Amino acid sequence: IAGITQAPTSQILAAGRRMTLRCTQDMRHNAMYWYRQDLGLGLRLIHYSNTAGTTGKGEVPDGYSVSRANTDDFPLTLASAVPSQTSVYFCASSDTGQATTDTQYFGPGTRLTVL
Amino acid sequence: GQNIDQPTEMTATEGAIVQINCTYQTSGFNGLFWYQQHAGEAPTFLSYNVLDGLEEKGRFSSFLSRSKGYSYLLLKELQMKDSASYLCAVMDSNYQLIWGAGTKLIIKP
Repeated sequence: IAGITQAPTSQILAAGRRMTLRCTQDMRHNAMYWYRQDLGLGLRLIHYSNTAGTTGKGEVPDGYSVSRANTDDFPLTLASAVPSQTSVYFCASSDTGQATTDTQYFGPGTRLTVL
Repeated sequence: GQNIDQPTEMTATEGAIVQINCTYQTSGFNGLFWYQQHAGEAPTFLSYNVLDGLEEKGRFSSFLSRSKGYSYLLLKELQMKDSASYLCAVMDSNYQLIWGAGTKLIIKP
C-alpha cells in the first residue's frame, strides 16, 4: 500500500440499506477525514479524527458514523442510505490535524449512488 | 458565516498564463491551500500560503493578501495536462479546511 486506499471504487445501493466505506492509510498520519463532493459545491467535511480512539463531527455529519480503532483505518458507515447521500466520498489524512502546515492527502474516492 | 469564492470556470490557451482568484471570509485563518483535481480523480496538493506574498513553485505560483482576504494561483506556460479543477481551501481556527467549489480550467490548443 502506498498512501491512502479506499474501497469500494464505486457502489450502487438501494435506499434503506446499510453501507460501510473503507479507508486505509500507511503514512502513519494521526489525523483522518471524510468528505463528500457534490457538483457545484466545495468538499464538505463529514467526520474527522485527530488520533486513534477519537472522532469529531464536521459540517454534514447527519446520517453518517465513523470509528477509529487504530491509526491506519477510518471506516465511514451509512446506517440507512437515502438518495441525498449520492455523492463522491473522499477520505484524507494529515500528519497531526492540529498544525497550520498540516497538508491533507486524499484517497482516490468512492462514487456512491443511492436509488 | 464562512465563505470561499472562486470563479466557476475559466478558459485559457496552451502556452499562455492564467490567474485563478480566490476570496475568503472565515472564522480564523491558519493558512490557504491550493489543490488540483483532474476529472474523476482525487485532489492533489499544489501550494500553501500563510504569510502575505508570493510563493513560487516551478510553473505555479500562489499569492496571499490576508488583509484583503484574497489569494490567487498563477499558472505559467500552460500545458494541456493543466486542464483540471483548482480548489482553494482555507484552514480555519480549528485547523479544519473550508473549501471553495473549485474553478474548472479549460485549456485550448
